[in-house]
Amino acid sequence: QKEVEQDPGPLSVPEGAIVSLNCTYSNSAFQYFMWYRQYSRKGPELLMYTYSSGNKEDGRFTAQVDKSSKYISLFIRDSQPSDSATYLCAMRDTGGFKTIFGAGTRLFVKA
Amino acid sequence: DGGITQSPKYLFRKEGQNVTLSCEQNLNHDAMYWYRQDPGQGLRLIYYSQIVNDFQKGDIAEGYSVSREKKESFPLTVTSAQKNPTAFYLCASSPQKTGNQPQHFGDGTRLSIL
Repeated sequence: QKEVEQDPGPLSVPEGAIVSLNCTYSNSAFQYFMWYRQYSRKGPELLMYTYSSGNKEDGRFTAQVDKSSKYISLFIRDSQPSDSATYLCAMRDTGGFKTIFGAGTRLFVKA
Repeated sequence: DGGITQSPKYLFRKEGQNVTLSCEQNLNHDAMYWYRQDPGQGLRLIYYSQIVNDFQKGDIAEGYSVSREKKESFPLTVTSAQKNPTAFYLCASSPQKTGNQPQHFGDGTRLSIL
């Protein structure tokens, strides 16, 4: 079993839709949670960074962490064609140096 | 602007050849990392370095080598011992030795076999 599971998609939605992207994990020691956006032939760009459980909002993006269920989500409101990319979740424990990445979910937002 | 610069963007390797991928950062970050990205897989850690003149193997270090002679530079050599080198290689850095800050990435080098 992988430490981090992420549905690869692709996920296709119409412009303006609310998008929900999710990851599950198995290591209860993970405390830091990240979402990255990666456009084709580019490096991942950090979108959201949260510590422990709860919600964090930044513009159209909301990150949610449910440690009891070992489940994290990224919501995108009013999705735009420019949001079309691969979204990677990532996580790390407090004392560790290693970040574990999900395989990424490919998102297409149709105009 | 501060950032991480990887070069070249595209690289081709012949059989039996070693190639070196460059990674330079001007963010004054202590830690640097090399990852390999293959389709349908998460990023896999090749090597990382927390301080100058020190580095550790990641999960898939075989067939690769690194050096960290300067804080801003962390080149990766793909040796002829790496039998399946075709992949997208990503360099990252983070500001603290303890790793409590997220990593920031360069735009990658795509390596292919000739």
